[in-house]
Amino acid sequence: GESVGLHLPTLSVQEGDNSIINCAYSNSASDYFIWYKQESGKGPQFIIDIRSNMDKRQGQRVTVLLNKTVKHLSLQIAATQPGDSAVYFCAESSNTGNQFYFGTGTSLTVIP
Amino acid sequence: NAGVTQTPKFRILKIGQSMTLQCTQDMNHNYMYWYRQDPGMGLKLIYYSVGAGITDKGEVPNGYNVSRSTTEDFPLRLELAAPSQTSVYFCASSFELSYEQYFGPGTRLTVT
Repeated sequence: GESVGLHLPTLSVQEGDNSIINCAYSNSASDYFIWYKQESGKGPQFIIDIRSNMDKRQGQRVTVLLNKTVKHLSLQIAATQPGDSAVYFCAESSNTGNQFYFGTGTSLTVIP
Repeated sequence: NAGVTQTPKFRILKIGQSMTLQCTQDMNHNYMYWYRQDPGMGLKLIYYSVGAGITDKGEVPNGYNVSRSTTEDFPLRLELAAPSQTSVYFCASSFELSYEQYFGPGTRLTVT
């Protein structure tokens, strides 16, 4: 099966600082990657995605970087806010896109 | 739009009992998915459907069954509940292979 893992299970940052959450994947054929945010007791919420033909994609306060050489994905959150406290998952899919494989998640805590 | 709705929110089953987890989406999405999430873990795909009348197995289908008679509904059936099926179950949908998946709030199932 696929292997998607995260480098750090927990991350604490001060409010206003930037956050970086990392993710490693093992399947060279993966061509699509997603970051999800999951707040306690809720379902995952889509944050941002990136395809394998891109190295960087930006959204509102978030940036995803993809390094295919070392099979590494990161999510950067600018000016982290208390509302950003959640578990963040990366997920990757094969060419068909029908199946996603999720990492275990990183718990982000924002300290006011 | 209500998005993706799931019922029930919580359920306790005895070993060997059966039940159906309901999932409905009102976004006219073609693709629907069932995931399970064990404590401290990522999501694992159980079954998915690319349209009414079409279903396929995901990563962990054993012990489950699904049907897709309409675009809106994608129920998940547990025939003989086992303690290993204690988990939180999430239903998700997406319009097409554009991949952005919308998740329901989840069903927390305990089998004792």
